Amino acid sequence: ELKVEQNPLFLSMQEGKNYTIYCNYSTTSDRLYWYRQDPGKSLESLFVLLSNGAVKQEGRLMASLDTKARLSTLHITAAVHDLSATYFCAVCYGSSNTGKLIFGQGTTLQVKP
Amino acid sequence: NAGVTQTPKFRILKIGQSMTLQCAQDMNHNYMYWYRQDPGMGLKLIYYSVGAGITDKGEVPNGYNVSRSTTEDFPLRLELAAPSQTSVYFCASRPLSGLTTNEKLFFGSGTQLSVL
Repeated sequence: ELKVEQNPLFLSMQEGKNYTIYCNYSTTSDRLYWYRQDPGKSLESLFVLLSNGAVKQEGRLMASLDTKARLSTLHITAAVHDLSATYFCAVCYGSSNTGKLIFGQGTTLQVKP
Repeated sequence: NAGVTQTPKFRILKIGQSMTLQCAQDMNHNYMYWYRQDPGMGLKLIYYSVGAGITDKGEVPNGYNVSRSTTEDFPLRLELAAPSQTSVYFCASRPLSGLTTNEKLFFGSGTQLSVL
């Protein structure tokens, strides 16, 4: 059974600080996704990581994938208040063409001024 | 371009009632999905479809049914609603593609359902 675990589940940080969210998954998968969700809103796609060693960056967020360790990280650089949200990683399972995803529990990020 | 449209946005049901959650996309996407999100949790896949006339179960299909008669529409039917089905329901779609970086899911805005 594929399991996806994120840590930490809650993160409170000061503006300007750096931090990393970790996403571990239990079985082989060839793609991993990161999503952002604001309170009461839908999910917004951030990154799709398709291969071992893949690194994607947008603004203050950088995601990486290590398929051998079954680990993805979402690194936040010099956090700002606008990054406050819940971040989910999700792993594709079954036939990769079907796009079925198992989601982690989510990491709620609170950035304080 | 409306994207993925879900209706209704909110609904309260009594135990044992039935209802259909509507989902429509105007992007000509082959793949469509229904997820539910319980409070403080990640999303769980209920059903998915890889094209008109083709549907399959996800992680948590019990108590739900789907149909896909057209590319655009993917309704989710709840029969005999139970309190355990209180959740936020998200519909999503994505295009048919190979191994590209554009495989992200497009999500609807969600339906908040309470079963009392």
